[in-house]
Amino acid sequence: GAVVSQHPSWVICKSGTSVKIECRSLDFQATTMFWYRQFPKQSLMLMATSNEGSKATYEQGVEKDKFLINHASLTLSTLTVTSAHPEDSSFYICSAQTGGRADTQYFGPGTRLTVL
Amino acid sequence: AQKVTQAQTEISVVEKEDVTLDCVYETRDTTYYLFWYKQPPSGELVFLIRRNSFDEQNEISGRYSWNFQKSTSSFNFTITASQVVDSAVYFCALRDTGGFKTIFGAGTRLFVKA
Repeated sequence: GAVVSQHPSWVICKSGTSVKIECRSLDFQATTMFWYRQFPKQSLMLMATSNEGSKATYEQGVEKDKFLINHASLTLSTLTVTSAHPEDSSFYICSAQTGGRADTQYFGPGTRLTVL
Repeated sequence: AQKVTQAQTEISVVEKEDVTLDCVYETRDTTYYLFWYKQPPSGELVFLIRRNSFDEQNEISGRYSWNFQKSTSSFNFTITASQVVDSAVYFCALRDTGGFKTIFGAGTRLFVKA
């Protein structure tokens, strides 16, 4: 149980285009989903927290107009990188938890984005 | 403020050696949760353990064991008789009850040589 999937697993796009990454909780309902970014050989940096049906809460320094997050259902959250640039190239990881603060976060396999 | 420190950037051991990964945390909360995750080369984070602040019992799971000491704010992870498949980056993480945020340490990269 507690499986989180991400799609696509990797994507290469041209500078200026937008890319959408999906995160799904396959066997549980996720009231809260998180989006992280990880640069090579670095730790995970939280980008935003999203609760189903409400606007995402972005961490300081994360541009909400550039990284659009939609948590439309209890099993799906999407991250859209708008007008992507090479500096947006990174490993994006989502995670999901069922509800309370005591719950464990389960992580997706990550999406590697390369912007040319 | 919350903080997780993993002072060991990289550790290299030979197979069958025991290895301990250190984790020191800071939080003002009395109730909080500590986690260890493994990130193999594939990139997917694998949950290893969760411990709440009221449970200081050490835990053993196969070759893995964890030592939680509130007095020193440490939550160390030991792998006994390491294997090549243990090679990965290991993250220690902290979540307090003030919010949903989980703060990750910088990670320790473990190399286990055959």
